[in-house]
This record gives sequence, C-alpha cells and structure tokens, in this order.
Amino acid sequence: ILNVEQSPQSLHVQEGDSTNFTCSFPSSNFYALHWYRWETAKSPEALFVMTLNGDEKKKGRISATLNTKEGYSYLYIKGSQPEDSATYLCAFNDYKLSFGAGTTVTVRA
Amino acid sequence: DVKVTQSSRYLVKRTGEKVFLECVQDMDHENMFWYRQDPGLGLRLIYFSYDVKMKEKGDIPEGYSVSREKKERFSLILESASTNQTSMYLCASIFSRGNNSPLHFGNGTRLTVT
Repeated sequence: ILNVEQSPQSLHVQEGDSTNFTCSFPSSNFYALHWYRWETAKSPEALFVMTLNGDEKKKGRISATLNTKEGYSYLYIKGSQPEDSATYLCAFNDYKLSFGAGTTVTVRA
Repeated sequence: DVKVTQSSRYLVKRTGEKVFLECVQDMDHENMFWYRQDPGLGLRLIYFSYDVKMKEKGDIPEGYSVSREKKERFSLILESASTNQTSMYLCASIFSRGNNSPLHFGNGTRLTVT
C-alpha cells in the first residue's frame, strides 16, 4: 500500500489567520500530485494538479507548492474564512491515484 | 461539465446480500475508480479500470469485485455484504492518468450493512 501521509490530521484556525499543511509521498514513479477540497455533503472538488518539481499553483487565497525530489507538497490558505472549512485531500498519481487521510480545517469566526 | 452519477445516495442491505453500486460518467473518460471513505482513513482505493473490460486491484480489493462492460459505466459488486463494508463509497473518473487531469467524483453512496 502506497504511503501518502498528510499532517496534521486536523487544525482549527481563527478567521483571518493564515495556515498551511503538508502532504508527503514517495519520490519515485511520480506522475502528478493532486489536491482536493471536500466539504460536508458534497463531492471532493479539485483544487490543483501539480506535475513539475518546484511547481507553485494559486487559486484565490489558496496556493500549493511541490517538491518531488524530497516528496512533499504544502497547501497554504491565506486569510482563512469560514467557507474554507473543509477536509483537504492530497492524492499521489503513480498511475494509481492513492489518497492521504486528509487534513480537516475548521475556521472559527 | 463532467458528470459522474452514482445510482443511490443511501443504501441499506443485510449481511450476506449481493450488492451492486453503479457509477456512470458522461465525458468519455478512460479511467474510473472506486474508493471507500471511513473516518480517519481518507479515501482508500478499492478497484480501478483503465478501459472497457479491464480492471486492476487497488489497495483494499478483498470482498469486492467490479465490472466495466461499457466505457461510461463502472460497477462495484459486494458478493456477500458484511458489516465491515458499511461505509461511504465514492466513484471517480479521469480522462487520463498520465497527464494533469483532475479526478471528477460522484456524490457518493452511503451503504449500511446490518
């Protein structure tokens, strides 16, 4: 079983604060690293698909970086808002697409 | 917009029953996946298919089988349902695993086995 790890498992953030969390993955057989946001009662929604070492992607207040040589990716949320509350999942694409357990973010107003 | 449709949102079945979970996608995607989601464990891959009649085991295939007779449809089969298969099941599709396409997910089927 592929070891895709996300940390922390959960975090609580005050509205307006920035936060970040990690996805680590094997550094071999790399095709892509995916990030998804999963809100309660909805389907997971794609945020980013990252393929190149050093990639940085941004969508509004959310951004992500990728280091394929050391096998990690960071997701950043700047100026957290209550609507950012969700579980953030990363998936490692080595042709199979295996997910980490997720980081659940709760933003307190 | 890609649509991935799972046939049931909620399902309650008895232990020992044969259970079919159906998933249909409308964008001619090559690859389809079945995951289950349990608290604290994230999404775990059960089976995936990269073409019609082709299937590959994921990380937790025991107790499950799949069928892909048509490109748009991928079925997950529980041959004899057990209580430890109570879970949320998510189907997903992707155009190609080798490029930077994202997964598109269905709404999920919450299965309870009693």
